[in-house]
Amino acid sequence: DVKVTQSSRYLVKRTGEKVFLECVQDMDHENMFWYRQDPGLGLRLIYFSYDVKMKEKGDIPEGYSVSREKKERFSLILESASTNQTSMYLCASSWDSYSNQPQHFGDGTRLSIL
Amino acid sequence: KNEVEQSPQNLTAQEGEFITINCSYSVGISALHWLQQHPGGGIVSLFMLSSGKKKHGRLIATINIQEKHSSLHITASHPRDSAVYICAVSGGYQKVTFGTGTKLQVIP
Repeated sequence: DVKVTQSSRYLVKRTGEKVFLECVQDMDHENMFWYRQDPGLGLRLIYFSYDVKMKEKGDIPEGYSVSREKKERFSLILESASTNQTSMYLCASSWDSYSNQPQHFGDGTRLSIL
Repeated sequence: KNEVEQSPQNLTAQEGEFITINCSYSVGISALHWLQQHPGGGIVSLFMLSSGKKKHGRLIATINIQEKHSSLHITASHPRDSAVYICAVSGGYQKVTFGTGTKLQVIP
C-alpha cells in the first residue's frame, strides 16, 4: 500500500514565523501535491510537483512556496505565516500526470496561526 | 456556481438504512472520484470511474456521463460509515476539482 506521511498532525505557530510542512511518500510517485481544506470550500490546490526540483502553481499559491529536492519528499513553506493560513493541509501523491489515477493522501496537518 | 456540487451537505441516518449521496458537475471530465474522509483528516480513495457502475462491499458508485451526475450508495449503513464523502472530477493535466463534501452520520 502507498504510504504518504505528513510530519505533524497538529501544529501551532505565531504570525510572522516561517513554517515548514513536510510530506514523504514511499511509492516512487512522480507527482506530489499540497492542498488546503477549509469548511465550505473543499480542497484547493496550492502547488504541485511533477518531478524533482519541478513545481507548478495551483489555484491558491500566494503566501506559499514549495521545495522538492528528493523524489520522495515535498515540502510546503509558509514564508511569513498569517492568521488566514490557519487551515487543514493535505499532501497527496500519484503516478499519473493526467489525473486519471487516484491520488493517495496523507493524514493531514491541522495548522493554527496565532 | 461551483464546478462540482454535492447533495446533501449533511445527512443523518439510522443504522441499516440505504444511503444515497449525489454529485453533479458542469465540466468535461476524464474520470470521477469518490473519496472518504474520517474525523482526524485522512482521505481514502473509494472509487474512480469514467462510466457505468462499480461496487465494493456495501458501497456502489454510478455515473451518468450524459447527465453529468454520479451517485454513491451505501447499503445496510453502519456507524463506522460515518465520515465526510467527497466527490472529485478530473480532466486534463493535473486538473482535479473537489466538491465540498457530504457529512454522513449513522446513528446506532
